[in-house]
Amino acid sequence: QVQLQQSGPGLVKPSETLSLTCTVSGGSISGYYWSWIRQPPGKGLEWIGYIYNSGSANYNPSLRSRLTMSVDASKMQFSLRLTSVTAADTAVYYCARDEVMTPLHHAFDMWGQGTMVTVSS
Amino acid sequence: DIQMTQSPSSLSASVGDRVNITCRASQSISNYLNWYQQKPGKAPELLIYTTSSLQFGDPSRFSGSGSGTDFTLTINSLQPEDFATYYCQQSFSTPRTFGQGTKVEIK
Repeated sequence: QVQLQQSGPGLVKPSETLSLTCTVSGGSISGYYWSWIRQPPGKGLEWIGYIYNSGSANYNPSLRSRLTMSVDASKMQFSLRLTSVTAADTAVYYCARDEVMTPLHHAFDMWGQGTMVTVSS
Repeated sequence: DIQMTQSPSSLSASVGDRVNITCRASQSISNYLNWYQQKPGKAPELLIYTTSSLQFGDPSRFSGSGSGTDFTLTINSLQPEDFATYYCQQSFSTPRTFGQGTKVEIK
């Protein structure tokens, strides 16, 4: 059974960089798309972007200028970096497997446990 | 971006009721529509993908239908464990977008 384990700080200062890592266990990291999704307190879900195991990425245009995703297959990890954070970036951040369920049809079929990240001085 | 609009935003229902949740896309997304269930303090879980395919392990009282811009999640015979928030999500194009959620509460 594939499991995703998230790690990273829960508190980030304004204007600094938010960094989170997701470690994949029980399965392969290769051949899959891996997404990050966030949820501000009491609100809905926002897709941040995905990275493929080759390193190619697709970012939400609303965050693209501040966003970098990476993958380290040797460590079975993929990561998120969001620069110049503000209070608006306060949210629960989830990593998820962006699985091809049927040809061309993607869905988030496995999720990490979530990391509450608060942006505050 | 494709906007996803769910209705209602919340509903109250009793155990055993049949519940319908609607999701409308701002443009045609064919059948590229998924549904998720989220319980308080937990990550969302995939319920239905490609409009009507039930995720492995999910109960058959959940079903999905629709095409183009209008989609429906149906819960037949609501069970206590079904009280949660449900989100639709389109995978037709990026950025992937979600509906705002429908909270199903106990009447």
